[in-house]
Amino acid sequence: AQSVTQLDSQVPVFEEAPVELRCNYSSSVSVYLFWYVQYPNQGLQLLLKYLSGSTLVKGINGFEAEFNKSQTSFHLRKPSVHISDTAEYFCAVSGNNAGNMLTFGGGTRLMVKP
Amino acid sequence: DTEVTQTPKHLVMGMTNKKSLKCEQHMGHRAMYWYKQKAKKPPELMFVYSYEKLSINESVPSRFSPECPNSSLLNLHLHALQPEDSALYLCASSQAQGSYNEQFFGPGTRLTVL
Repeated sequence: AQSVTQLDSQVPVFEEAPVELRCNYSSSVSVYLFWYVQYPNQGLQLLLKYLSGSTLVKGINGFEAEFNKSQTSFHLRKPSVHISDTAEYFCAVSGNNAGNMLTFGGGTRLMVKP
Repeated sequence: DTEVTQTPKHLVMGMTNKKSLKCEQHMGHRAMYWYKQKAKKPPELMFVYSYEKLSINESVPSRFSPECPNSSLLNLHLHALQPEDSALYLCASSQAQGSYNEQFFGPGTRLTVL
């Protein structure tokens, strides 16, 4: 069994400031990790994923995340946010066997203010 | 074409109605998914089809009936729904069923049950 905790339900930040959205997971097996973004009235879009290899993962729209196995974390970062980054962000985990499905965290609403 | 399309965008139905949601992808994906998403919550998996066969049913009530007529099409038939079934219904697809496969999401159908 696996679970995902996104510690912050809302993160307000000013435009051009850096941001970090936190994600911690628990799992009894090795995992794959994902960050998805959901803009208002839309479906989910994959930002980035960690399957194996380098622990620093770069994604679309200038986002990156770092897998930290010892801290069981996969925090999402962006050095300078734009108004258009305002959205809901979901961290998700799946175990590394074919039958495993995605388990989503509760989501973090990023609110970028001018 | 990396798009998953869903129709209709919005649906309002009474508790005695029968309606269907439709999902289509032309990416050659062999796994397709239905999720239910309540406001300010993460998506919850309902059904998974793999190679046009039902692979996972997450104990969904029988008033929801999925169907996969071919590898590109996924339907969700609705009958005798309850007001608490009002939600955003998301369809997704991936190359195959498996935790490392990126899921591509459609924009969703917003369902209101009166």
